This record gives sequence, C-alpha cells and structure tokens, in this order.
Amino acid sequence: EAGVTQFPSHSVIEKGQTVTLRCDPISGHDNLYWYRRVMGKEIKFLLHFVKESKQDESGMPNNRFLAERTGGTYSTLKVQPAELEDSGVYFCASSQARGAHNEQFFGPGTRLTVL
Amino acid sequence: AQSVTQLDSHVSVSEGTPVLLRCNYSSSYSPSLFWYVQHPNKGLQLLLKYTSAATLVKGINGFEAEFKKSETSFHLTKPSAHMSDAAEYFCVVSELQDTGRRALTFGSGTRLQVQP
Repeated sequence: EAGVTQFPSHSVIEKGQTVTLRCDPISGHDNLYWYRRVMGKEIKFLLHFVKESKQDESGMPNNRFLAERTGGTYSTLKVQPAELEDSGVYFCASSQARGAHNEQFFGPGTRLTVL
Repeated sequence: AQSVTQLDSHVSVSEGTPVLLRCNYSSSYSPSLFWYVQHPNKGLQLLLKYTSAATLVKGINGFEAEFKKSETSFHLTKPSAHMSDAAEYFCVVSELQDTGRRALTFGSGTRLQVQP
C-alpha cells in the first residue's frame, strides 16, 4: 500500500513568488492534515480537512496560505506571495477515522526555501 | 493546553549500548502519547503509542516507553542501539478537540547519533 506522498520534495523560490505544494493521502483516508516545521523548531499544525471540508484551520499563519482539497482526495497548499519566514519543511499526514487514538500517517515533507 | 519538552536536542551513543531519549509533557486531560521517528528523506513513522492501557508500551524495532503520570514523563528506551537507529525522534502528545481533530503537539525533536 502506498503511503502519503508529497510533491515536490524540495522547492527553492524567491521572495514574492508563488509556490504550490501537493499532498496525496493514503487512499480511503478522509482526514488530511498539514503541518510545518520552521528552522529546527517544533512541528506545528496548520489545518485539518475531513474529506473536502476544512475542519480546523486555526494553525494557518496568515492569508498568504491557501489550502484546498477538491473532491476530497489530494490536497494543495499554496503560498502567495512567499516570504522569507515561510521557509521550512511542510508535512502532510492522513488518517482513516476520527475519534480516539487514530494514527496519523505522515509524508516525507516538502522542504521550502524562500530566498 | 498541552505541551511537550524533549530534554536533549542531540544524543550520541555507541552501537550496542542503551538508548534513552527523554520526554516530559503537560496536558489538561488524560493524553495519548506517541513517539515518531524520522529517517533522512522519509516521512515520520510511528514507533509506539500510549493510550491509557498498559503504562509500559512496546514499539517497533525494539523500542519501548514507559508512561509515568507522577513524573509527567514518557521516556523512550532501547536496550541496544543499532546503526540503523540513527534518526530524529519526536515525542508527541495528543488531545481530542471539539472539532473532532486530535490535536498533535510535537516536541522539538532529538537527533540520535549511533557511533560504530
């Protein structure tokens, strides 16, 4: 069974440009999460989809970040325009069911560098 | 509010010696606790989880962790380190939110180095 995949693995862009990150969750997982790790700090929650609906986007840093999950399958996270402080590793995770103790399966992350 | 403190940012051990990665947490309710491992260029992989059953939890690859409520600790141990254990390890506390989301709070990570 394929795990969570993310594309690209690395992205280097200049300040002010736009970048779109993609996440393909494990097939059949309704829950999809985005996290971010900035420069060796803790991994922080960004938002949570249940199918195509945003369940919780309390972690999104500002309105330069836009996440979508059309059709409840893959998700994209767009940063427009990118700023220097957006550099970091963006992780996606998916899980099968809500409720207690459901494991989140993580992708390898996308390393974003904004110059 | 929940929080996690991983007491060591780097740990170096020799192959064949014990591993101890320390984690302290705070949580308003009875938490679920996890250890994840990340090898280079790989996703975070679940090592083990505590969900209010047995306080001593066994995970994959010979790792185990003991939940100690009185000490608010969830330290990760392994009797004998292997070269393949070199990776970054994350202690995670989880609480169920009103939205139905299990909010994961990550520690800052401990990078384990294994010397031959």
